[in-house]
Amino acid sequence: GNSVTQMEGPVTLSEEAFLTINCTYTATGYPSLFWYVQYPGEGLQLLLKATKADDKGSNKGFEATYRKETTSFHLEKGSVQVSDSAVYFCALSEAWFGNEKLTFGTGTRLTIIP
Amino acid sequence: DTGVSQDPRHKITKRGQNVTFRCDPISEHNRLYWYRQTLGQGPEFLTYFQNEAQLEKSRLLSDRFSAERPKGSFSTLEIQRTEQGDSAMYLCASRRTGPNEKLFFGSGTQLSVL
Repeated sequence: GNSVTQMEGPVTLSEEAFLTINCTYTATGYPSLFWYVQYPGEGLQLLLKATKADDKGSNKGFEATYRKETTSFHLEKGSVQVSDSAVYFCALSEAWFGNEKLTFGTGTRLTIIP
Repeated sequence: DTGVSQDPRHKITKRGQNVTFRCDPISEHNRLYWYRQTLGQGPEFLTYFQNEAQLEKSRLLSDRFSAERPKGSFSTLEIQRTEQGDSAMYLCASRRTGPNEKLFFGSGTQLSVL
């Protein structure tokens, strides 16, 4: 079956530090890949996505590249801010139209200190 | 704000009692999803609807769980004879049909079974 393995947290960084959160996946076909973010007290929000190999998703300074050869979709940001403190979830979907049944990783809690 | 609305936000019940949660999706979103999230884990897919039709159910959804979307608008998730293992955050999400449509999550209903 499908699975997503995500870097365990929590992760604590200083403001303006470089961020990487690792994500690898197992899937039988050609999944779409996603990063969702959950800010304190809020629902999950789509941060970025990529639907095929070598695609790069980006949003709010975050980037992730779909690497089929390493089955990875690592999340990166060059300079984090305190407002980036949240829980980040890597996810995949294999439905033909994308974004159907999502399989999530366990989440990584990120805390940015001033 | 016309986001996905879930009610109640919190529910405390005793083991063996029945509970029902409600989800109001974004207007005109014909697809509606239920996920369950336990502490320290990512959300797990339970079931989804296309309009009023329930198209897929996870094997996680035991016979004690039932979901409905009678008029293709709001949905209810009922758990009968609750067990302590049912304690979790129950998330609802909705979207329009289509390959690039975004999935919107509600803030969830936190169930505690004593």
